Amino acid sequence: EDQVTQSPEALRLQEGESSSLNCSYTVSGLRGLFWYRQDPGKGPEFLFTLYSAGEEKEKERLKATLTKKESFLHITAPKPEDSATYLCAVQALGGYGGATNKLIFGTGTLLAVQP
Amino acid sequence: EADIYQTPRYLVIGTGKKITLECSQTMGHDKMYWYQQDPGMELHLIHYSYGVNSTEKGDLSSESTVSRIRTEHFPLTLESARPSHTSQYLCASMGLGDREGLLMNTEAFFGQGTRLTVV
Repeated sequence: EDQVTQSPEALRLQEGESSSLNCSYTVSGLRGLFWYRQDPGKGPEFLFTLYSAGEEKEKERLKATLTKKESFLHITAPKPEDSATYLCAVQALGGYGGATNKLIFGTGTLLAVQP
Repeated sequence: EADIYQTPRYLVIGTGKKITLECSQTMGHDKMYWYQQDPGMELHLIHYSYGVNSTEKGDLSSESTVSRIRTEHFPLTLESARPSHTSQYLCASMGLGDREGLLMNTEAFFGQGTRLTVV
């Protein structure tokens, strides 16, 4: 069964204290891994897409990396405005070599950055 | 900014009422999704569609129904609302994009959500 697990569930950092969030996945052929940020009461906001192992994407203080089993979201020198829930989602290989239409989400990591 | 809209943003309704949550996107995406999310909890897929006149149930059993008569519109209906339906409902859409000459699914774009309270 396709599964996505994120850790830790919650993380508290001091402003400027770098860290990483983990997303482990088991899917029958990965067609795409997506990182989102979600603020309370709002819909998830897209951050990155990674398609193959070894791929990296960067945006401001965030950097996402991908291996065959997991993805990391590295946060460098975070600021209080980076506080949010970070969600990881995968799209798996479907029939006939294409991608399935389902997007499977992990439970998220709640990040709190204190000034 | 994503062009996907949900209405209403907030809804408080009595038990037994019929309600329809609206979701529209102007990006021409073929795939659309409904997720249910309780505060601080994960997103659960309840319905999805990969084109006009196609709908599928998601992983979480739901008493709601959906329809996809037009590409841009994917409404969700509860025939008889109950307090157990109180939750946030999120709509998303996904299209196709070119990646190194191959057609691949793009990222999913989410609406702002509808916070439903059934009293």
